[in-house]
Amino acid sequence: AQSVAQPEDQVNVAEGNPLTVKCTYSVSGNPYLFWYVQYPNRGLQFLLKYITGDNLVKGSYGFEAEFNKSQTSFHLKKPSALVSDSALYFCAVRDATNAGKSTFGDGTTLTVKP
Amino acid sequence: GAVVSQHPSRVICKSGTSVKIECRSLDFQATTMFWYRQFPKQSLMLMATSNEGSKATYEQGVEKDKFLINHASLTLSTLTVTSAHPEDSSFYICSARGGYKQGNTEAFFGQGTRLTVV
Repeated sequence: AQSVAQPEDQVNVAEGNPLTVKCTYSVSGNPYLFWYVQYPNRGLQFLLKYITGDNLVKGSYGFEAEFNKSQTSFHLKKPSALVSDSALYFCAVRDATNAGKSTFGDGTTLTVKP
Repeated sequence: GAVVSQHPSRVICKSGTSVKIECRSLDFQATTMFWYRQFPKQSLMLMATSNEGSKATYEQGVEKDKFLINHASLTLSTLTVTSAHPEDSSFYICSARGGYKQGNTEAFFGQGTRLTVV
């Protein structure tokens, strides 16, 4: 079985400050990890993924995430938040041996205030 | 990233009628497609997984006869909500993923369809 936890329903940061959106996961094998962003009344946009290799993954719009195997975490980060980053963020995991579905977290609403 | 087009973006239908939602992968072959339902301020609820040319696999609690899924080609999957009722009103999202051998690991999402049943 695989699962994802996003412990924070809401994250608030000031524009220009660094942001972190947390994600922990559980899989039986090696994980494929993903971050997506959703704007109101839209589908999800792919931000970045960890498959293998470097633990620090860089993605779209200046976002990055760090894979930490010992802590089974994949936190999303950005050095300097923008108001336009305000959206709903989803973390997802899939077992690398599983050709089927990914499991999504419950989502974290990020609000960046000017 | 790859492009997935979902149509229509919004639809209003009368109770008892059927509605078809299309999901197309525009620039890749989608061996697997997923259909989700999302309630306001909630996460995605996976409804079913479909592989091209085979029957969809439905999640527990999802009525197969009500939510008909067809994945007739590598670029098109459809979800038909049959005999729609107001409680079917929701935001429906599709996603598509290419084959493992193609190195495709992530899924790409359509824009979503807001269904309102009156």
